[in-house]
Amino acid sequence: DSGVTQTPKHLITATGQRVTLRCSPRSGDLSVYWYQQSLDQGLQFLIQYYNGEERAKGNILERFSAQQFPDLHSELNLSSLELGDSALYFCASSVSGTASGNTIYFGEGSWLTVV
Amino acid sequence: AQKVTQAQTEISVVEKEDVTLDCVYETRDTTYYLFWYKQPPSGELVFLIRRNSFDEQNEISGRYSWNFQKSTSSFNFTITASQVVDSAVYFCALSSSGSARQLTFGSGTQLTVLP
Repeated sequence: DSGVTQTPKHLITATGQRVTLRCSPRSGDLSVYWYQQSLDQGLQFLIQYYNGEERAKGNILERFSAQQFPDLHSELNLSSLELGDSALYFCASSVSGTASGNTIYFGEGSWLTVV
Repeated sequence: AQKVTQAQTEISVVEKEDVTLDCVYETRDTTYYLFWYKQPPSGELVFLIRRNSFDEQNEISGRYSWNFQKSTSSFNFTITASQVVDSAVYFCALSSSGSARQLTFGSGTQLTVLP
């Protein structure tokens, strides 16, 4: 158990809909990262928050957004969903704002299926 | 830009055999960190090891060992006396102190250990 908690574990929704994925980081970790794992793109970095502020952006679509709340939990919002958004979405956390010097621990992921 | 290459897409071994998973990386930074993660069939990403660029000492943890060679930009992972429970996808990842501070993952190696 990494200590990173993600909900829901599985989600099936229709095209055009909007979903919210939730993440609680490890106790004491200030950084939250979101990654997408799909068959064709592999593991892709989406976005990072550190202590409530956006720190870095990766390959995140404009239809996707995220935020980190004062209690440090984070939510990833996916809207106008398309079939290609079906993937495993990981949340991860680390102590500091830079990935380089810290271990990043991943949650169990949220399986999103768009039908 | 940084890149991680795991040339072995799939490896199949018989239980008790030793197996080495290859990882080659590219980065322009002199300070960087290398990671290995395991993804079992259940889907979660499990942290295995982190190594910084200044520490080329090989590491052994039980049946796992890692060989870091800066001269060849490689960070290979060996499982000794493999077991069926080792069956998983293994990812090598890189982060650096430069602009790309988030984890860049390789495409993963699917290891199947047959009884």
